[in-house]
Amino acid sequence: AQSVTQPDIHITVSEGASLELRCNYSYGATPYLFWYVQSPGQGLQLLLKYFSGDTLVQGIKGFEAEFKRSQSSFNLRKPSVHWSDAAEYFCAVASVLWSSASKIIFGSGTRLSIRP
Amino acid sequence: GAVVSQHPSWVICKSGTSVKIECRSLDFQATTMFWYRQFPKQSLMLMATSNEGSKATYEQGVEKDKFLINHASLTLSTLTVTSAHPEDSSFYICSARESASGSLYYSGANVLTFGAGSRLTVL
Repeated sequence: AQSVTQPDIHITVSEGASLELRCNYSYGATPYLFWYVQSPGQGLQLLLKYFSGDTLVQGIKGFEAEFKRSQSSFNLRKPSVHWSDAAEYFCAVASVLWSSASKIIFGSGTRLSIRP
Repeated sequence: GAVVSQHPSWVICKSGTSVKIECRSLDFQATTMFWYRQFPKQSLMLMATSNEGSKATYEQGVEKDKFLINHASLTLSTLTVTSAHPEDSSFYICSARESASGSLYYSGANVLTFGAGSRLTVL
């Protein structure tokens, strides 16, 4: 079964600094990978997704992520964070998409705080 | 874009009562909806997969008699927490996947659209 690990529970970065949130997955075949953001008390918003093709994926709000098969990783990056980026970030994986039986499994999340 | 509405956004109830949470896809048809549960400062745990017109598929460890799921139409799924107890207090989030035909099952910007969540507090 697929699984997702986000090793960092909480990260604090200064506003304007670069950001990298780590995500490692476990799955035998090519996974389908996602990053979601959740503001306090809110639902989830999709930042970006990787299905196939170019391993560097661009998302909304200036985020990008790189799929590295050799490292089983899909780290999220942003060159310069803004105070509004403070939120909880979830990495997620799905094993199969072309089926009504497919489902998305979430990592434990990384809480991002921004230092003024 | 696709929008999923959850109602109520916050509900407080007495122990022993039942609470119904609705999940609606507003501008698309959803063959499949998912229900997640999220404890404070924790991740989303998939509870069940709801398929229109059929019984829900529950994840291991989720009591199907406790958490009743109904997906009677292509735009509505409901989660009923029966005989709620304080330990059922949590944030419940639904997501919906747009129905699609053909081989390209996933297209467009969003794979799943999430509702804003419903916070249940059982006193």
